[in-house]
Amino acid sequence: DGGITQSPKYLFRKEGQNVTLSCEQNLNHDAMYWYRQDPGQGLRLIYYSQIVNDFQKGDIAEGYSVSREKKESFPLTVTSAQKNPTAFYLCASSIDKREFLYNEQFFGPGTRLTVL
Amino acid sequence: GQQLNQSPQSMFIQEGEDVSMNCTSSSIFNTWLWYKQDPGEGPVLLIALYKAGELTSNGRLTAQFGITRKDSFLNISASIPSDVGIYFCATKTQGAQKLVFGQGTRLTINP
Repeated sequence: DGGITQSPKYLFRKEGQNVTLSCEQNLNHDAMYWYRQDPGQGLRLIYYSQIVNDFQKGDIAEGYSVSREKKESFPLTVTSAQKNPTAFYLCASSIDKREFLYNEQFFGPGTRLTVL
Repeated sequence: GQQLNQSPQSMFIQEGEDVSMNCTSSSIFNTWLWYKQDPGEGPVLLIALYKAGELTSNGRLTAQFGITRKDSFLNISASIPSDVGIYFCATKTQGAQKLVFGQGTRLTINP
């Protein structure tokens, strides 16, 4: 089945450690996105990538890093510089062809990161 | 940046009641999307709207793209327990790569 997978579902780390969250999609989508969601809040964009080997900062990129070496994969690293890393992290993807007007984003199941 | 005002922030209703929520903005958009998020899960796309005035249904859900292109509403008829969750609107302008999300409407249903 086509879809977006994020692993693991729950992740615990000690303060000061970097941690990498996985996001894989087999939808053949060009664009991928990372969002952060805090309790009772909406979605805030961290980073996004429209093509392989290229990515742009979103609204809250500080303390995070990404890579896009393959079309299917867009891992997010939460670094020790991120002051409040505990949150629910959501990955999304979309077709994102320039000539395509209809660019709905489809989301993965999310990873809940807790930093102790 | 662009701001969306989604209301109400929360709703407490009885099973079987109809639900209405909306999103408004001072900016003009080309796309309105409505998502539902279950607790601990990722948002799922419910309805996508692409033309001003467009009215689209998906089962008991109906959404409309406002004629001014600055707003959209989502209605749920005859609510059932599985409708519980957070509903988000999202929008973008043509050519834009990022979606703008509303803050969500949390729906709670009393059986």
